[in-house]
Amino acid sequence: NAGVTQTPKFRILKIGQSMTLQCAQDMNHNYMYWYRQDPGMGLKLIYYSVGAGITDKGEVPNGYNVSRSTTEDFPLRLELAAPSQTSVYFCASSYGGVNVLGGANVLTFGAGSRLTVL
Amino acid sequence: GESVGLHLPTLSVQEGDNSIINCAYSNSASDYFIWYKQESGKGPQFIIDIRSNMDKRQGQRVTVLLNKTVKHLSLQIAATQPGDSAVYFCAEKRGANSKLTFGKGITLSVRP
Repeated sequence: NAGVTQTPKFRILKIGQSMTLQCAQDMNHNYMYWYRQDPGMGLKLIYYSVGAGITDKGEVPNGYNVSRSTTEDFPLRLELAAPSQTSVYFCASSYGGVNVLGGANVLTFGAGSRLTVL
Repeated sequence: GESVGLHLPTLSVQEGDNSIINCAYSNSASDYFIWYKQESGKGPQFIIDIRSNMDKRQGQRVTVLLNKTVKHLSLQIAATQPGDSAVYFCAEKRGANSKLTFGKGITLSVRP
């Protein structure tokens, strides 16, 4: 299994440009998440999905959009890039659901996508 | 503010010593906690988890302690190795259908 795969690893955008961060998982996980991590900070949840066709906002959804047409893929869209969106973005997945130890709620993270908006 | 926080931003330990990383949470309804390790340039990796009906759980060289009275979580690493150098995050969850809330992270630096 490849786990969670994110592309691209690095990207520089100009203000106002748009782009899509891709995320794919091959573990048949129901839940998928997008987080952003700013320097010296923890992870902030942007959007998440509990299954194909279902998405919901996290803590910091403004400026982003997502879709979940398949179980495997969960792309994150930035429509009008702003300097405040400069960050490292992590996609994650899990089975989700009840709090079973070492099980459903353990998130598997991708390697991250570093985005700079100038 | 954040409901999950860490007491110190950095921790420096001597190789071979034990490390203790602390985390405070403010919501008594949190019923599940996870520790993650993030190495430079990589995504966070699962270390160990614990449920609120437990006080202690042990893994390989790691132990997580939960004190619900003072809402405190700690990660103990035995015989710390250079490979343990990383940023460590605690995260909490409140109920089966809620999302994980992450703390800011603490950097563990291991001195040779």
